[in-house]
Amino acid sequence: QVQLVESGGGVVQPGGSLRLSCAASGFTFSDYGMHWVRQAPGKGLEWVAFDATNKFYADSVKGRFTISRDNSKNTLYLQMNSLRTEDTALYYCAKGNFLRSPFDSWGQGTLVTVSS
Amino acid sequence: QSALTQPASVSGSPGQSITISCTGTSSDVGVYNYVSWYQQHPGKAPKLMIYDVIYRPSGVSNRFSGSKSGNTASLTISGLQAEDEADYYCSSYTSSITVIFGGGTKLAVL
Repeated sequence: QVQLVESGGGVVQPGGSLRLSCAASGFTFSDYGMHWVRQAPGKGLEWVAFDATNKFYADSVKGRFTISRDNSKNTLYLQMNSLRTEDTALYYCAKGNFLRSPFDSWGQGTLVTVSS
Repeated sequence: QSALTQPASVSGSPGQSITISCTGTSSDVGVYNYVSWYQQHPGKAPKLMIYDVIYRPSGVSNRFSGSKSGNTASLTISGLQAEDEADYYCSSYTSSITVIFGGGTKLAVL
């Protein structure tokens, strides 16, 4: 079955950088678009970015975050630069297909804390 | 782009039916049938319950159903069970080529 395992979270100072990874298994990774979705502590879900043939970003992260993938490693990445305190959240990767498609499988998330 | 509007909380007794609304605009819910609903239990990842307004993924109970009228989508849960107590989020594709979520609704089964 589909398995998504995020890693790379941690504590970072404002202005710092972090790279998240999402290891995928149980499906043909290269055939599917993939999303990053985040959830601030005690708050709702926020879509962050999508990677397929093209890449798309939420306005709140555009220019600071970069989504990418390595199909040979079945891994999705999120490079986060110029981090702000408001980026503190649990970051989930989720399997989609097209940008308009539902998030049909989710990982368990990796926590990013931006704090001085 | 603002989040879709959901009630903060709803409640119902076991066996009853409840409906959660999700109001957007003519740039998202009103123009696309790409509305999904997710269930999230505390400390767990979200789970897809409804997609493309009305469709249930395999394995999701037929007590869950979706609909849409104008700029408002709705999730109805019939025959409420204790295990349905969770947070529920709607999402929609938008004309800005993004995805937006609702603020979430906490369902209490009394």
